[in-house]
Amino acid sequence: EAGVAQSPRYKIIEKRQSVAFWCNPISGHATLYWYQQILGQGPKLLIQFQNNGVVDDSQLPKDRFSAERLKGVDSTLKIQPAKLEDSAVYLCASSPRDRTDTQYFGPGTRLTVL
Amino acid sequence: AQSVAQPEDQVNVAEGNPLTVKCTYSVSGNPYLFWYVQYPNRGLQFLLKYITGDNLVKGSYGFEAEFNKSQTSFHLKKPSALVSDSALYFCAVREPGANNLFFGTGTRLTVIP
Repeated sequence: EAGVAQSPRYKIIEKRQSVAFWCNPISGHATLYWYQQILGQGPKLLIQFQNNGVVDDSQLPKDRFSAERLKGVDSTLKIQPAKLEDSAVYLCASSPRDRTDTQYFGPGTRLTVL
Repeated sequence: AQSVAQPEDQVNVAEGNPLTVKCTYSVSGNPYLFWYVQYPNRGLQFLLKYITGDNLVKGSYGFEAEFNKSQTSFHLKKPSALVSDSALYFCAVREPGANNLFFGTGTRLTVIP
């Protein structure tokens, strides 16, 4: 089966600019996650969707980050405006509804904010 | 609050030797424990998990991990290391009823030919 797809793979922007990332989960996976992985740290959950509803966004900086999964399939994560400390790899993962313990990760988008 | 500690940033082992990557955790209740591996320029790949049952869990690529409740540990092991095992390894924990995985900071494993 095809894996989790993410684009772009790399993005360089200046601070205060906006950026958007796209994720297409594995077909049929109801649950979708966005993680932020800062260099030297483990991934940190930003938001979790079940179909098109938000399950957990407690660690999403809502003043600048937003995410949507309108049709319950693919998802976008947006940062507006970006700060230097947003430089990180943004990972998308998905899991089947009945096996949320096993998450399948995409290759990530490496964001550099200058 | 849940937490995961990977005390070693770097582990070096000779090819063919056994390897151990350490992980300890702190969680309320019975933990769900995971190991993931990250190769360069690739996403995290699931290796194995412990939910309940046998304390010794076998996973992908010949890896196994042992759940030790008294020591709150979940060390990753492999009897004979391969050069291709060189990667970044993450331990993760989830509390029962919680939604998300909480990851450790990772251990970089280098297998020396």
